[in-house]
Amino acid sequence: EIVLTQSPGTLSLSPGERATLSCRASPTINNNYLAWYQMKPGQAPRLLIFDASIRATGVPDRFSGSGSGTDFTLTISRLEPEDFAVYFCHQYGTSPPFSFGQGTKLEIK
Amino acid sequence: EVQLLESGGGLVAPGGSLRISCETSGFNFYTYAMTWVRQAPGKGLEWVAGISSSGRDTYYTDSVKGRFTVSRDTSKTTVYLHMKNLRVEDTALYYCTKTAAAMVYYHVDVWGKGTPVTVSS
Repeated sequence: EIVLTQSPGTLSLSPGERATLSCRASPTINNNYLAWYQMKPGQAPRLLIFDASIRATGVPDRFSGSGSGTDFTLTISRLEPEDFAVYFCHQYGTSPPFSFGQGTKLEIK
Repeated sequence: EVQLLESGGGLVAPGGSLRISCETSGFNFYTYAMTWVRQAPGKGLEWVAGISSSGRDTYYTDSVKGRFTVSRDTSKTTVYLHMKNLRVEDTALYYCTKTAAAMVYYHVDVWGKGTPVTVSS
């Protein structure tokens, strides 16, 4: 089973700043099958990035994904007020069951 | 617009059974795999079960094997999760999700808002 470790647990930033969220996998994720989701209270989680770096339809280009193998990053170039939420990574590169990271809470500083 | 609407959650005693449903709309239901993901209070997300577009292939996380059954009804464009011998540790918000392919071996692209299941005496 692949274990995903996200860091930091909480990230405190101001609107307009750049956010860098990390997701580390052990062992390696095949085919870079890693996705990032945004979760807000009372809402359905939203797909942001899949296959490590492909932005989902309708996702603003301030969101970008990068990385391969064991180290992956979600970057939000300039934070908007609506970006403050919980973000989690998800791998689907193995046989089921697939795994999720524990999440990073992005909060307003 | 793709929509997933979960229902059927509630309070059940340990050892009891429950069936939760996920009504879908806005896409070709018979084309995509579907999965269930849960989040226990204060915990992270856990992938629970998945079913291929045809319904022939099903997958489960170890902790629910033999107790949970995922199924789908194409005529109703609905996915189900039948849960039996429920345990306190099954308490969670259960999300229905749509996979972006016919098999479960791909990313989830749409989530529902979830239905809560509480197992308690």
